[in-house]
Amino acid sequence: QKEVEQDPGPLSVPEGAIVSLNCTYSNSAFQYFMWYRQYSRKGPELLMYTYSSGNKEDGRFTAQVDKSSKYISLFIRDSQPSDSATYLCAMAESQGAQKLVFGQGTRLTINP
Amino acid sequence: GAVVSQHPSWVICKSGTSVKIECRSLDFQATTMFWYRQFPKQSLMLMATSNEGSKATYEQGVEKDKFLINHASLTLSTLTVTSAHPEDSSFYICSARDGARSYNEQFFGPGTRLTVL
Repeated sequence: QKEVEQDPGPLSVPEGAIVSLNCTYSNSAFQYFMWYRQYSRKGPELLMYTYSSGNKEDGRFTAQVDKSSKYISLFIRDSQPSDSATYLCAMAESQGAQKLVFGQGTRLTINP
Repeated sequence: GAVVSQHPSWVICKSGTSVKIECRSLDFQATTMFWYRQFPKQSLMLMATSNEGSKATYEQGVEKDKFLINHASLTLSTLTVTSAHPEDSSFYICSARDGARSYNEQFFGPGTRLTVL
């Protein structure tokens, strides 16, 4: 079993839709959770960074963490074609942890 | 702020030659740098972690004699793929941690696409 599982998709939705992206994990020691966005042939860029359980909102993006279920989500409201990218979840055990564990990434396409 | 550059952005080489990829943190000091490879439609696979001034720590299954990593300064790390073969063709991405920040965010470079003929 992989430490972090993420549905690779692809996921295709119409413009304006609400998108839900999810990851599950097995390591209960993970406390720091991140979502990265990667455009084709580019390096990932950090979208959201959260600690422990709860919600965090930034514009059209909301990150949710449910540690009891070992489940994290990223919601995108009013999705735009420019949101089309691969979204990767990543996790770490501690603030000073050297290593991030990445999910497989979900390819998302927003259709105009 | 927190910009990481990579050079070259793409490279084509013949089988058996060596290729060097540079990773630079442009506006911060990177105490730790990471090298990943990514195959098409797959996630990032960590190859090694390097701390400035010390030897890199390689992930299981990564040949340290084939993928030479040097982190000689707080702003530069290099990955040299020695005696490259077609199976080494991949997208190589570096990331860096800002030594002035306490949390574990990694800033990624734009990647280098290596094609070995």
